[in-house]
Amino acid sequence: AQSVTQLGSHVSVSEGALVLLRCNYSSSVPPYLFWYVQYPNQGLQLLLKYTSAATLVKGINGFEAEFKKSETSFHLTKPSAHMSDAAEYFCAVSDGFNKFYFGSGTKLNVKP
Amino acid sequence: GAVVSQHPSRVICKSGTSVKIECRSLDFQATTMFWYRQFPKQSLMLMATSNEGSKATYEQGVEKDKFLINHASLTLSTLTVTSAHPEDSSFYICSARSLAGGNTGELFFGEGSRLTVL
Repeated sequence: AQSVTQLGSHVSVSEGALVLLRCNYSSSVPPYLFWYVQYPNQGLQLLLKYTSAATLVKGINGFEAEFKKSETSFHLTKPSAHMSDAAEYFCAVSDGFNKFYFGSGTKLNVKP
Repeated sequence: GAVVSQHPSRVICKSGTSVKIECRSLDFQATTMFWYRQFPKQSLMLMATSNEGSKATYEQGVEKDKFLINHASLTLSTLTVTSAHPEDSSFYICSARSLAGGNTGELFFGEGSRLTVL
C-alpha cells in the first residue's frame, strides 16, 4: 500500500528565504513521486516528478526535490521564495499503475 | 503539457436536482480518467476511476448511484451528481494520464468544478 505524509499544514517564509516542504512516503513497491501545486479554486499543476532516474529532480519555477530512499523522503525545496510561490503544495505517490495517493497538503505563505 | 478542461467551473443548484460536470482531455487521449473530491482545507480524495467504454471503478465509501460516471470517448468523462444535497457541496477535480506517459506519466488535472447545493 502507498501513503504520503506531509509534515506541516502551513509553512511561512519571507521573500527570498529558503523554502522547504517535507514529504515522507510509504510504498510497498518502488515508488513514483510527484509534487503538485494548487492555486485557489484551480486544479493541480505538476511541479516535478521522480521516476527512478536521478534522485535529485529539478522542476518548474526553480523548485527541486531529492529522493532519499533510506529516509523514505521526497522533500521539496527552493533556494529563494517569491511572492508568487504562495499556494498549496501536494506530494503524491503512485505505484506505477493508475492510483495516486496524495498527502494532506502544505499551504505556503510568503511574507514580503 | 497536456491540457484537461472541466466544465462548468462553478455551479449552484437547488437541493434535489442533478448536476453534470464534464472533463475533457483537449490534446491527448485518455483511456482512464480519475475523479477527485476536495473538501475545504483537505487533500484530494479519489472517488472513482473512469474507464473508457466500461463501468467506472468506485472507491470504498463512494455511492455509485449518487455519483454517476460515464466515459463515452477517449477524451470525455462526465460526473453526474444525482439528487444533490448540501453535503455534496465540494470542489470536484478530474484528472487524466496521457497514454504516451505510460505508467510513469503524471496526472494532468482539470481546473476543478465548485459545486454549491442550496
